[in-house]
Amino acid sequence: GQQVMQIPQYQHVQEGEDFTTYCNSSTTLSNIQWYKQRPGGHPVFLIQLVKSGEVKKQKRLTFQFGEAKKNSSLHITATQTTDVGTYFCAGGRDGATNKLIFGTGTLLAVQP
Amino acid sequence: DTAVSQTPKYLVTQMGNDKSIKCEQNLGHDTMYWYKQDSKKFLKIMFSYNNKELIINETVPNRFSPKSPDKAHLNLHINSLELGDSAVYFCASSQTRLAGVETQYFGPGTRLLVL
Repeated sequence: GQQVMQIPQYQHVQEGEDFTTYCNSSTTLSNIQWYKQRPGGHPVFLIQLVKSGEVKKQKRLTFQFGEAKKNSSLHITATQTTDVGTYFCAGGRDGATNKLIFGTGTLLAVQP
Repeated sequence: DTAVSQTPKYLVTQMGNDKSIKCEQNLGHDTMYWYKQDSKKFLKIMFSYNNKELIINETVPNRFSPKSPDKAHLNLHINSLELGDSAVYFCASSQTRLAGVETQYFGPGTRLLVL
């Protein structure tokens, strides 16, 4: 079945350092979404990318969708303690309306 | 004004018991989901309903039975609970699109512990 893997599984950074998580799908995606889950919380939508090669920015966060629409990345510049949490990518497929396959997640810890 | 709410928030029960989790959304969405998040944080879809009709039914033991009385509610009943059912169960909702996947809004989760 379709799999969506993320690396790294866990990242510990000092506040102010940059952070990147990578997302790879075994199949071509129609779109990719990113969610953030704070410790003890629930996943919260961050952004959606649809076009091949698309890049979107939200303040210190930069999201990218690969040209082949099989991978994506999330880069955080100058991390802050409020960035702590697990970041999930989630891919949709054409013909699989409403179904998202969530990635394995990357847990980010930020040391002040 | 909680968009997606779940009850209960915590559920501790003995093996073999039957329990239900309830979910309600007030976003006017027509699609609802149940996800299971295990101890390693993997989020796996279990079921999805669109306008009260089951549209996604992943490989889930038939001890799990979802029920959608209307498009704003999706409940999950679990029979004969097992230790491996311990997890966080998230309800989510979204608006149907003709193609692709719409943003999903998650409830706060139900933390189930089976002893």
